Amino acid sequence: DQQVKQNSPSLSVQEGRISILNCDYTNSMFDYFLWYKKYPAEGPTFLISISSIKDKNEDGRFTVFLNKSAKHLSLHIVPSQPGDSAVYFCAASTDYGQNFVFGPGTRLSVLP
Amino acid sequence: EAQVTQNPRYLITVTGKKLTVTCSQNMNHEYMSWYRQDPGLGLRQIYYSMNVEVTDKGDVPEGYKVSRKEKRNFPLILESPSPNQTSLYFCASSQGRIGGTEAFFGQGTRLTVV
Repeated sequence: DQQVKQNSPSLSVQEGRISILNCDYTNSMFDYFLWYKKYPAEGPTFLISISSIKDKNEDGRFTVFLNKSAKHLSLHIVPSQPGDSAVYFCAASTDYGQNFVFGPGTRLSVLP
Repeated sequence: EAQVTQNPRYLITVTGKKLTVTCSQNMNHEYMSWYRQDPGLGLRQIYYSMNVEVTDKGDVPEGYKVSRKEKRNFPLILESPSPNQTSLYFCASSQGRIGGTEAFFGQGTRLTVV
């Protein structure tokens, strides 16, 4: 049973609009969450993180929201750009550790 | 340039023929790990190492071995590969446990076992 779920395998958004990628988790012990972006033929690269003591973290066009009671986090990209087209992985860990559990990923396509 | 380097990038081998995928990082990171990526399953951790000579199993360790004799290197060993180990493999390194930090990933090794 997957502890980290990304229920949308793919998402298409028009350039300039908002992209919202969702992630749900089942383990209430998770206290640190990250989003990674992956382009084809490359390794994942870190995008943004959030700890359980916060409910929001922003970095430029990227904002991550955490709803601990719902065990849900989301990544907002505003405005979306064609270069944002990639697979996005949500990851979670316990005890602020390094053993991350990854979701299956969501493929985002930003259409010009 | 800070990086994690994996070799080879692509490998086709036959069942039962031992192979090693190398991983090296130049950031003096304590923590290194191996993941495999399979469709619909995301990245699953195979093994990790918190420091030299300290390794432990991740979520899917069966059929794999690792070693950490030096801080910078963390090879993944498949003693007797089988077709179900056909996958995309990633090595990652990070600063360590404290504070929770992001991992840096290598470019991946696509392994096919026939």
